[in-house]
Amino acid sequence: SQKIEQNSEALNIQEGKTATLTCNYTNYSPAYLQWYRQDPGRGPVFLLLIRENEKEKRKERLKVTFDTTLKQSLFHITASQPADSATYLCARYGGSQGNLIFGKGTKLSVKP
Amino acid sequence: DGGITQSPKYLFRKEGQNVTLSCEQNLNHDAMYWYRQDPGQGLRLIYYSQIVNDFQKGDIAEGYSVSREKKESFPLTVTSAQKNPTAFYLCASRLTGTGGNEQFFGPGTRLTVL
Repeated sequence: SQKIEQNSEALNIQEGKTATLTCNYTNYSPAYLQWYRQDPGRGPVFLLLIRENEKEKRKERLKVTFDTTLKQSLFHITASQPADSATYLCARYGGSQGNLIFGKGTKLSVKP
Repeated sequence: DGGITQSPKYLFRKEGQNVTLSCEQNLNHDAMYWYRQDPGQGLRLIYYSQIVNDFQKGDIAEGYSVSREKKESFPLTVTSAQKNPTAFYLCASRLTGTGGNEQFFGPGTRLTVL
C-alpha cells in the first residue's frame, strides 16, 4: 500500500537557522506531494505543491524538493522565526479522485 | 469572505447518542472531505464526495455517515456504532478539474464522548 512517513515527530532549532523537514514515501512516485502547516487546534493550511517532474519549488522563505530516486521530499524554512513554530504535514496524491494520504507531521519549534 | 466553516467548535456526546457535525463552504468547490485526527496518528480519511448526491467511503468509514444534498454542505454524523469517537474532526474542500489540487480545511470540531 502507499505510505508516507515523516520520520521526525519533533524538531527544535534556533531562530535564524534553516529548518529541514523530511518526508519519505513508499512504492511508486506520486504525481505530486503537498506540504501543509497546522497550528494547534486549527485546520491545516496549504503551503506548497511539487510535482513529480519538478526538482525544486520555492515560495518566499520556503523551499521544497522532490527526489524520486530517494523517494523523498525535503521541506526547508530559511531564516526561521518563532512564528514558524507549528506542525508541518506532508501529503501525497492518493491516486484516486484527488484524495490525499497524509503523514503524521513534524512539530517544529523555533527558539528565540 | 470565501471559506469553509465547521460547527460547533466543541461538541460533547454521551455514549449511545448520534451527533452531526456541520461543514459548509462558499468556495464553489465540487469535492469535499471529512478527516479524523488523533494525537500521533495524522489525518485519516472518513468519507469524501466529488459531486452532489454522491459520496464514497474513505479508510475509516465504519460508524460514520454523510450526505451531500447541496454543493455547499457536507454534514458528518457520528453514530453510536463508532466505538471511539473522541477526536478532532476536519472538513476540507477542493476545486476539481483544471483548478489547483490543494485542499482547503475548516477550523475543525473537537468531539468528546462523556
